[in-house]
Amino acid sequence: GQSLEQPSEVTAVEGAIVQINCTYQTSGFYGLSWYQQHDGGAPTFLSYNGLDGLEETGRFSSFLSRSDSYGYLLLQELQMKDSASYFCAVRVTNQAGTALIFGKGTTLSVSS
Amino acid sequence: DAGVTQSPTHLIKTRGQHVTLRCSPISGHKSVSWYQQVLGQGPQFIFQYYEKEERGRGNFPDRFSARQFPNYSSELNVNALLLGDSALYLCASSLDSLYQETQYFGPGTRLLVL
Repeated sequence: GQSLEQPSEVTAVEGAIVQINCTYQTSGFYGLSWYQQHDGGAPTFLSYNGLDGLEETGRFSSFLSRSDSYGYLLLQELQMKDSASYFCAVRVTNQAGTALIFGKGTTLSVSS
Repeated sequence: DAGVTQSPTHLIKTRGQHVTLRCSPISGHKSVSWYQQVLGQGPQFIFQYYEKEERGRGNFPDRFSARQFPNYSSELNVNALLLGDSALYLCASSLDSLYQETQYFGPGTRLLVL
């Protein structure tokens, strides 16, 4: 089966750096994505890694190691508005076709 | 440009009833995916449609079905509703079915089954 593991909660203060890890066990792996979801809102796309290495988008960076089935999202210069849930998601293919499998999410709380 | 739109925003049904949820993708997007999200969990994949064909199916019972229309809008149908079907149903669109990883989510439909 497919599974993704990420911490359930992370807390940090404004201006700090936080790393959210994601490990996965999947078949037919295509890439790792990260989404942000504020309470009551829809998930929004943050980053995608199809190949090993680091992708940087402003204050957010994402890393993938396919040999370790591991990735992380790095958030720098944290702001209060970064308080949200963060999901890693894996694109897989199976006999039914393609699917985007999400982790259970990490709740990030940023305090002043 | 308008984002992904979904209707209705909220819905209350009773057990055994049927429900139809609707989704309009971003203009130019040909792929629509449906997800179920229960409180405190990540979105769970239900279906993906691309160019009106089913391209992926999650681990959901046959009570769940969907289709995509020539204008790329989509409907999700759920028959014989159960209490456990209460959730936020999200629709997401993307340009492609496999290689375009940016999925744009709509605001969702909150379904409550009593």
